[in-house]
Amino acid sequence: GAVVSQHPSWVICKSGTSVKIECRSLDFQATTMFWYRQFPKQSLMLMATSNEGSKATYEQGVEKDKFLINHASLTLSTLTVTSAHPEDSSFYICSAERLAVMSSYNEQFFGPGTRLTVL
Amino acid sequence: GQNIDQPTEMTATEGAIVQINCTYQTSGFNGLFWYQQHAGEAPTFLSYNVLDGLEEKGRFSSFLSRSKGYSYLLLKELQMKDSASYLCAVSSGGSYIPTFGRGTSLIVHP
Repeated sequence: GAVVSQHPSWVICKSGTSVKIECRSLDFQATTMFWYRQFPKQSLMLMATSNEGSKATYEQGVEKDKFLINHASLTLSTLTVTSAHPEDSSFYICSAERLAVMSSYNEQFFGPGTRLTVL
Repeated sequence: GQNIDQPTEMTATEGAIVQINCTYQTSGFNGLFWYQQHAGEAPTFLSYNVLDGLEEKGRFSSFLSRSKGYSYLLLKELQMKDSASYLCAVSSGGSYIPTFGRGTSLIVHP
């Protein structure tokens, strides 16, 4: 299967600082990437859809000025949590969409996630 | 919107069979995914059902009934490493982006 990496795998930061998380598709090009957030024992909640070369599409209730997304190339999307607060502490997971070749749908491949802790 | 319901937690014995149910309510159903997620890790794809019926893939099988809004994931010959959260996800409308349920935490004990 395809490989998606995330960096860093975990980060601890002080309240008020900004944190950047990178998502890379290592062996395929991804026009579309997705950013999810998962709180303990909760479902994955889609935050935004990241499109290469255009603005991200944010889900209802997600502040676009707080969660900045940049998809500058076909293999890299970044999520920047600006002015982070303790309530932003969560598990952030990205996925990259690979266009269907053999299957009837575009496959999503998930990154390993980034654990963010804001003190 | 979509409403996806699955049990919060299940336990089973090593070597046994377990069935994890998922019910959903949505309009414009496209397909249903099952993912496995170990604690602190990203989900990994297990299956994708579009049509009614049972699809078998090794020890794991997935069933779909679109008229009933119902699916199940069947795990046979359970192993300790199968202890994980199993996420049911539905895509609908013009999008293949899945909406995830809360997941079922499966605990396999000796």
